[in-house]
Amino acid sequence: DGGITQSPKYLFRKEGQNVTLSCEQNLNHDAMYWYRQDPGQGLRLIYYSQIVNDFQKGDIAEGYSVSREKKESFPLTVTSAQKNPTAFYLCASSGRGSGAYEQYFGPGTRLTVT
Amino acid sequence: QKEVEQDPGPLSVPEGAIVSLNCTYSNSAFQYFMWYRQYSRKGPELLMYTYSSGNKEDGRFTAQVDKSSKYISLFIRDSQPSDSATYLCARYSFGNEKLTFGTGTRLTIIP
Repeated sequence: DGGITQSPKYLFRKEGQNVTLSCEQNLNHDAMYWYRQDPGQGLRLIYYSQIVNDFQKGDIAEGYSVSREKKESFPLTVTSAQKNPTAFYLCASSGRGSGAYEQYFGPGTRLTVT
Repeated sequence: QKEVEQDPGPLSVPEGAIVSLNCTYSNSAFQYFMWYRQYSRKGPELLMYTYSSGNKEDGRFTAQVDKSSKYISLFIRDSQPSDSATYLCARYSFGNEKLTFGTGTRLTIIP
């Protein structure tokens, strides 16, 4: 089955700890994205990568970091510098060029930091 | 002004009714508009997309763009309880290859 997997589904951390969220896709997509979803605010773009070894900041990149060493993988690290890390995190992927507007989402990871 | 604005609802309608979900946008550049459906605690799934203007129909769903008023709509005919979800509109403009989402409208279909 082709798709996007995110793990874990639920994640709990203590304040001050860094945490890494996993995102893997087997759709052979070049582009991958990380979004954050909070109640009443829709999806906000954290980081995106259009090609391996390259990524750009989205609208709310502060306190987050990413890497793109493989086409299939785009892990997101939520650092202790992120002031309000508790949220639902969604990973997506798409083709490039004319296919870039069709983004396919993973099931999400709900992160709770206390 | 936000690039894409959407009434968060919630919206409740009886089963079988026609549902109208709407968004407004502020940029007139050539672009695509998408509708995503998101069930509770799940990732969004792409329902439909349209070009800058016109209609697109897929089964019970119709997406419409009114370029003159900068209004995008999703109509659901013969609504079913399984249509209960949050519906997100999104805009994609060529050049930055990013989607801009509305806040989502939470829809409940009452049996």
